[in-house]
Amino acid sequence: DVKVTQSSRYLVKRTGEKVFLECVQDMDHENMFWYRQDPGLGLRLIYFSYDVKMKEKGDIPEGYSVSREKKERFSLILESASTNQTSMYLCASSYTETQYFGPGTRLLVL
Amino acid sequence: GENVEQHPSTLSVQEGDSAVIKCTYSDSASNYFPWYKQELGKRPQLIIDIRSNVGEKKDQRIAVTLNKTAKHFSLHITETQPEDSAVYFCAAGVTGNQFYFGTGTSLTVIP
Repeated sequence: DVKVTQSSRYLVKRTGEKVFLECVQDMDHENMFWYRQDPGLGLRLIYFSYDVKMKEKGDIPEGYSVSREKKERFSLILESASTNQTSMYLCASSYTETQYFGPGTRLLVL
Repeated sequence: GENVEQHPSTLSVQEGDSAVIKCTYSDSASNYFPWYKQELGKRPQLIIDIRSNVGEKKDQRIAVTLNKTAKHFSLHITETQPEDSAVYFCAAGVTGNQFYFGTGTSLTVIP
């Protein structure tokens, strides 16, 4: 079974803090993705990566950056957290088209 | 980029009835259309997908149809059961590129 894990299920941060969300997959998948999920807006792609040290912007990259130093790990970074970044963050990985999601991190920015 | 619209946003059906969720897409280059199910508090999981060279695909009680000319695709669930209650997301994209997800349909199956 594919296993995608995220470093935290719940996170509370203050405005202006730097926030790191980590995602790890154990299936040697080349493709990894970060989405945010908001009610009524579905899943929106923030960044994705097709290989180590490679990244591509998704639909809503503003205010975020990513890092992929190892194949199994994809990190999402909020350089200076803001209240409008309060959301559920979902990581996913894939080898072909099927994306396998992590359990999500619910981030609250105060 | 691609624009995926999904309807309805909420759907309630009696147990045993059928449920249909519809999506439209804008980019004629899209060739892959997955459907994901997200139960409350859980992660989205792929339940069925269809490629542009196929018009219909069925897996037990669920089926997906694709109309490339009209650029729409639908999820059909027959003989609904309470465990079908979840949020369903459609998506569209080109193989090897990113997917674009719809806004989701919250399905409630009333026992």
